[in-house]
Amino acid sequence: AQSVTQLDSQVPVFEEAPVELRCNYSSSVSVYLFWYVQYPNQGLQLLLKYLSGSTLVESINGFEAEFNKSQTSFHLRKPSVHISDTAEYFCAVSSHLNTGNQFYFGTGTSLTVIP
Amino acid sequence: KAGVTQTPRYLIKTRGQQVTLSCSPISGHRSVSWYQQTPGQGLQFLFEYFSETQRNKGNFPGRFSGRQFSNSRSEMNVSTLELGDSALYLCASSPVGTGGWDEKLFFGSGTQLSVL
Repeated sequence: AQSVTQLDSQVPVFEEAPVELRCNYSSSVSVYLFWYVQYPNQGLQLLLKYLSGSTLVESINGFEAEFNKSQTSFHLRKPSVHISDTAEYFCAVSSHLNTGNQFYFGTGTSLTVIP
Repeated sequence: KAGVTQTPRYLIKTRGQQVTLSCSPISGHRSVSWYQQTPGQGLQFLFEYFSETQRNKGNFPGRFSGRQFSNSRSEMNVSTLELGDSALYLCASSPVGTGGWDEKLFFGSGTQLSVL
């Protein structure tokens, strides 16, 4: 079985400052890692994913995450945040199970960008 | 393409009642998953359906059940509601390939269930 830990439930940060949202996972098998974002009153949207290859993955809106196998981490970073980045961020893990899709999500980190 | 549609958007029920939630996946998506979202617990996996068959099930009691129809639409049922069932229930569809797995979930906006 897999599990995900998001160490920070709330992260306030000033506009244009850098931010890091932490995510650690545990698994006995190879995993795939994801960050999803949930804006107020909306469902979750995929932000970025790591399946294989380069351990550094990027999203179209400036976020990036690095897969670190030795530390079992997949932290999300952005060098300069905008007001519009205010949202709930979920880290998730999955494995290529024979029986289909099953994702394990963390408890979420609420990012609040302060003007 | 239309996104994942969940109905109703809000529900208020009392303890002991039962409830049925509906989810229409994106056209062509055959995998539908259900998640329960509560503050502090994050998203917890309920079950996944593919081609009308339940393929995966999370650690929820038997009061939580679901089904999928031939058009891939899915319903989730909760019987004998408890106060702790109050949550946002999210449905997600996935464009599963022939390998039976896909890495991307497309979520609906959810059904907010309040149990009084």
